[in-house]
Amino acid sequence: EIVLTQSPGTLSLSPGGRATLSCRASQSVSNSYLAWLQQKPGQAPRLLIYGASSRAAGIPDRFSGSGSGTDFTLTISRLEPEDFAVYYCQQYATSPITFGQGTRLEIK
Amino acid sequence: QVQLQQWGAGLLKPSETLSLTCVVSGASFSGYYWTWIRQSPGKGLEWIGEINHSGSTNYNPSLKSRVTMSVDTSKNQFSLKLSSVTAADTAVYYCARRIDYWGQGTLVTVSS
Repeated sequence: EIVLTQSPGTLSLSPGGRATLSCRASQSVSNSYLAWLQQKPGQAPRLLIYGASSRAAGIPDRFSGSGSGTDFTLTISRLEPEDFAVYYCQQYATSPITFGQGTRLEIK
Repeated sequence: QVQLQQWGAGLLKPSETLSLTCVVSGASFSGYYWTWIRQSPGKGLEWIGEINHSGSTNYNPSLKSRVTMSVDTSKNQFSLKLSSVTAADTAVYYCARRIDYWGQGTLVTVSS
């Protein structure tokens, strides 16, 4: 199975700042079938990015994804208060589908 | 818009069978894989498996021996059964359309 490792575990930033989250795969993710999800307390995860770089419907353009192969990045420019949450990467190229362990983005 | 609504028993005893159902509205049931995912308290996300409209399944090898998924296309529903549960199966269980639409989650607690 593909193991996804996210870094950092926790990221402390201020509103208005820029966040860079990393997701590294243990083997190449074919077709860049890599998604980024946001989860807030008590809520289901929400899809932000699919196909490594395509924004899901209704997602603001301050969220962007990049990468291919084994290294992927989620960038959030101009952090808004509602962006502080836990972020997961997910690969859906190979069964079993797997998730990273998450990056907690907290207010500094 | 696409909505997934799920339900099932929230409290089980060890060795019982977990049973959850998810109904899909606002989207075609065909052409997609419908997924179950769980999240243990304070932990990350674990993919349980998926099923498509024709009943073809993919299960996580770590749970495969205990998992059964089924689909009822006439009702736009799909279901999960997990047998012989233990405390380690205590989690919030989500249904989802592969990666994009998620149900609200059901907390399942296993306790004697």
